[in-house]
Amino acid sequence: DQQVKQNSPSLSVQEGRISILNCDYTNSMFDYFLWYKKYPAEGPTFLISISSIKDKNEDGRFTVFLNKSAKHLSLHIVPSQPGDSAVYFCAASDNAGNMLTFGGGTRLMVKP
Amino acid sequence: NAGVMQNPRHLVRRRGQEARLRCSPVKGHSHVYWYRQLPEEGLKFMVYLQKENIIDESGMPKERFSAEFPKEGPSILRIQQVVRGDSAAYFCASSPTQSTGTQYFGPGTRLLVL
Repeated sequence: DQQVKQNSPSLSVQEGRISILNCDYTNSMFDYFLWYKKYPAEGPTFLISISSIKDKNEDGRFTVFLNKSAKHLSLHIVPSQPGDSAVYFCAASDNAGNMLTFGGGTRLMVKP
Repeated sequence: NAGVMQNPRHLVRRRGQEARLRCSPVKGHSHVYWYRQLPEEGLKFMVYLQKENIIDESGMPKERFSAEFPKEGPSILRIQQVVRGDSAAYFCASSPTQSTGTQYFGPGTRLLVL
């Protein structure tokens, strides 16, 4: 029972263009969402988060959008850079905060 | 400015041996979480601990796995009598409070069971 899903296992984008990574969830108790970036043989690195009381959060080149009615969030990276090439995981938690539930990840490749 | 530290980074064990994985949280963080990542999958929650207490172990296998976070020293994830299916990357994360939010991850321990 996958409560958090990333339906695109991979995404290829040209340098300078926008990267859009998508994530869907099923558990309506989730109220905090995060995106992590992961390089091979390293741990996930926190990128950006959003609370369910907001629909958008922006940090530099990274913007996360949340559509609660659709149970959907997305991460926009503009402009994309080759160094952004990594696996991106979305994660969610409920207000108990005991655990993060992760999606399966999307591998982003940014071509120079 | 040390982040979460985990050791060893790589661990090879034969079937039936014990594996001990250590995690030192970010200084000042009192909440520790362990996750497991199987190849080509996302991270799966295993256990959440505060100092000397297990708060949530709903993701831990019922047998062979145990975790502790003593008053002094690192958190330990212990796997007894390892089997090949235990081969995975094990990540530790810490947070300053039991927030709904951000957990900071260590580099992981890659366990290979021969």
